[in-house]
This record gives sequence, structure tokens and C-alpha cells, in this order.
Amino acid sequence: QQPVQSPQAVILREGEDAVINCSSSKALYSVHWYRQKHGEAPVFLMILLKGGEQKGHDKISASFNEKKQQSSLYLTASQLSYSGTYFCGTEIGGSQGNLIFGKGTKLSVKP
Amino acid sequence: DVKVTQSSRYLVKRTGEKVFLECVQDMDHENMFWYRQDPGLGLRLIYFSYDVKMKEKGDIPEGYSVSREKKERFSLILESASTNQTSMYLCASTPGQGTYGYTFGSGTRLTVV
Repeated sequence: QQPVQSPQAVILREGEDAVINCSSSKALYSVHWYRQKHGEAPVFLMILLKGGEQKGHDKISASFNEKKQQSSLYLTASQLSYSGTYFCGTEIGGSQGNLIFGKGTKLSVKP
Repeated sequence: DVKVTQSSRYLVKRTGEKVFLECVQDMDHENMFWYRQDPGLGLRLIYFSYDVKMKEKGDIPEGYSVSREKKERFSLILESASTNQTSMYLCASTPGQGTYGYTFGSGTRLTVV
């Protein structure tokens, strides 16, 4: 039931773009995205609900394709502060609203 | 800002000890969760609670129990600590069921020797 994130790791130069994917084998009610910097708590970025909506703030956005049970996180013109591990959390039917998290994608942005 | 406070940042305990991990949130959130985080495995749900004195098992409850006597406090108990429980433990809370993001505490890194 754990969603699959890809890639596992990515290294970027400042200003480059990245896409992180999250796929589930189960029908999804919602998808959350979090970023965790080394030694810190995960921080909530955004939540996407059924309906194929796209959300974003600043240069980070995400989409949710409920038919494919997939979500993608888009990081545009990456900054050093974007470095960290990104987790998707998926809410599936029967989960009582709880999230199942992927294993994470480690993003490193270099100067 | 909502704060989720975990009482200890680092803990070292001996095998067989009973261990208490404390978590307190200050924004009257209904829901609280305990996860453990291990390299390469992500976050895995141990227990959760949607109300005072209510508790539900998550995906990996074996060897753990919880207590929620007050709304703001959710405790994780390792009845008899074992070395395979060495991990980072994260507490989280949300206002209620629905479209809310989780607020996490800074975590407790537990080492069982």
C-alpha cells in the first residue's frame, strides 16, 4: 500500500527544474506533500484532493491525477533552500483518513 | 503557529526497559499520530488517536502502546525496549479529519542498547 516515489534522489544546480512523482496502487482520496530538511521535522507543503487539480505557491506546484493514482511535485528554478527530502503522503479508502507515506526523494541543490 | 513538542530530542535506553515518549500540541487539535522513521523506509504509522482516551493501531503497532488522557498529550510507550526499536520517532497532529496538513514535532531519536 505504500506509494512509490521516483526518483529516489536527484541532484540539481541552482535554477534547474525537477519533478518528483508519487504513484499508488490504490484509489486515492488525497495526496499530501512534505519537505524534511536534515535533522528537522517534515513540513507540510500542500494537499491535493480528487479532481485532478493543480496547486502551487511560489515556484513549487503539484498535480494529482486520480485516474492514474499519481501525483507529481514540480520544483521550478530551484533554490538552495529547496534541498531536503520530499515525501508524499497518500490517503486511500479504508485508511480512516490516515496517511501512508512514500520512502522519500532526496533533493540536493548545488550552487 | 501550531507547535508540536516532543519532550526529548535524544534518548538512550537499555534493552528491556519501559520507555515513554511524550508529545504535546498547543492548538486544540483532535487528531494525533505517532510515526517511526527509518532510512530507506520512510514514515510508518504506529498508532493514532482521534479523541481523548481513543486509540487505534496503525501499520506497525507491535511492541508499542499509547495513552491519551488529555487532548493535548499523546504518549508512546515501548513496553520492553528492543534494539530493533532504535529509530527516529515523530509525533504529528491535525485539527480533525478532513483536508488538513499534518504538523510534526522535531522528533525523538531513540537508541536501544
